[in-house]
Amino acid sequence: AQSVAQPEDQVNVAEGNPLTVKCTYSVSGNPYLFWYVQYPNRGLQFLLKYITGDNLVKGSYGFEAEFNKSQTSFHLKKPSALVSDSALYFCAVRDWTGGFKTIFGAGTRLFVKA
Amino acid sequence: DVKVTQSSRYLVKRTGEKVFLECVQDMDHENMFWYRQDPGLGLRLIYFSYDVKMKEKGDIPEGYSVSREKKERFSLILESASTNQTSMYLCVTTMNTEAFFGQGTRLTVV
Repeated sequence: AQSVAQPEDQVNVAEGNPLTVKCTYSVSGNPYLFWYVQYPNRGLQFLLKYITGDNLVKGSYGFEAEFNKSQTSFHLKKPSALVSDSALYFCAVRDWTGGFKTIFGAGTRLFVKA
Repeated sequence: DVKVTQSSRYLVKRTGEKVFLECVQDMDHENMFWYRQDPGLGLRLIYFSYDVKMKEKGDIPEGYSVSREKKERFSLILESASTNQTSMYLCVTTMNTEAFFGQGTRLTVV
């Protein structure tokens, strides 16, 4: 079965430090991977995606993610965290076997402290 | 700009009531999905539809049904609301690799 795991409920980081939010996946076939962000009282917003090509994907707001096929991971990273990055982050994978469904991880809450 | 509109941001309903959550998209997309979002559980798929009058069960369809009479509108129905259906409900539409989200409906069942 297709699945996505975000092993950390919460990540705390100081402003200016690098941040990593972890994601691992299990899919059959080539994965389509996504990161979304949800700010308080707002809808989900697209950050970035990996479909094919370069393993390092750059997205919105200075975020990037690295696709690692051998480790089946797609960790979200940012070199220097901002307080405004504090939000809920979801990793997701497109499930083609069941027909275009998107499977989401449980979410990781990021707190960036000033 | 792509628009996915959910009819209500907040709803409070009584146990046993029949509840309708409406979603309208203006992109002529075929794929539409209903998820519920709960803390620590992420987004879980309730039902989805690939075309008018067509529906498929997601991972947690029990207690829900859907209706897709027109391409732009996908309705989620709680046949008899229960307190464990208190949640945030998200409507999503997709085209190729892009997903577009509604603002969500926070439903409280009392």
